Amino acid sequence: GDSVTQMEGPVTLSEEAFLNINCTYTATGYPSLFWYVQYPGEGLQLLLKATKADDKGSNKGFEATYRKETTSFHLEKGSVQVSDSAVYFCALLNSGGYQKVTFGTGTKLQVIP
Amino acid sequence: DADVTQTPRNRITKTGKRIMLECSQTKGHDRMYWYRQDPGLGLQLIYYSFDVKDINKGEISDGYSVSRQAQAKFSLSLESAIPNQTALYFCATSHGQGSYNEQFFGPGTRLTVL
Repeated sequence: GDSVTQMEGPVTLSEEAFLNINCTYTATGYPSLFWYVQYPGEGLQLLLKATKADDKGSNKGFEATYRKETTSFHLEKGSVQVSDSAVYFCALLNSGGYQKVTFGTGTKLQVIP
Repeated sequence: DADVTQTPRNRITKTGKRIMLECSQTKGHDRMYWYRQDPGLGLQLIYYSFDVKDINKGEISDGYSVSRQAQAKFSLSLESAIPNQTALYFCATSHGQGSYNEQFFGPGTRLTVL
């Protein structure tokens, strides 16, 4: 079945540091890939997505590139802010069957001033 | 106003009690989902519904039931709550047209079963 593996946290960075959160996946066919963010006390919200190989999703300074050859979708940001502190979930949506979304276990990011 | 709302936001109950969690949406989406979130486990799908007459079990449906009262409402019930159902529960919606559509999440219900 489909699966998503992302690096365990928590990740603690100083403000303006470079962020990289690894995500790899296993899926049949050609899934869409997503990064969701969950701020404290809130539900998940979509951060960015990519629907085919080599697509780059980007939003709020975050980027991730759909790499089919390495089955990866790593999240990056050049300079993090305290307000980026949250839990980040990598996810995939397979178009087959009932379009089930498979989530990774989440990576908690804490940015300190 | 929030597009996906959940009530209650927090609930503490005792083992054996019946609990209902409610979800409403104003997005006009036909697909609705219930997930639970446990620390270190990500989100697990409990039930999903593609329209009012379509209800399907997810990965962890045992001990839960659902009702799709209308396109905009999807309720989750725990008939006899047990402590290992203590978790954060999320409702989500998505559009049914086309593929690769994102899911929109409610703010969550924190349930504690004593």
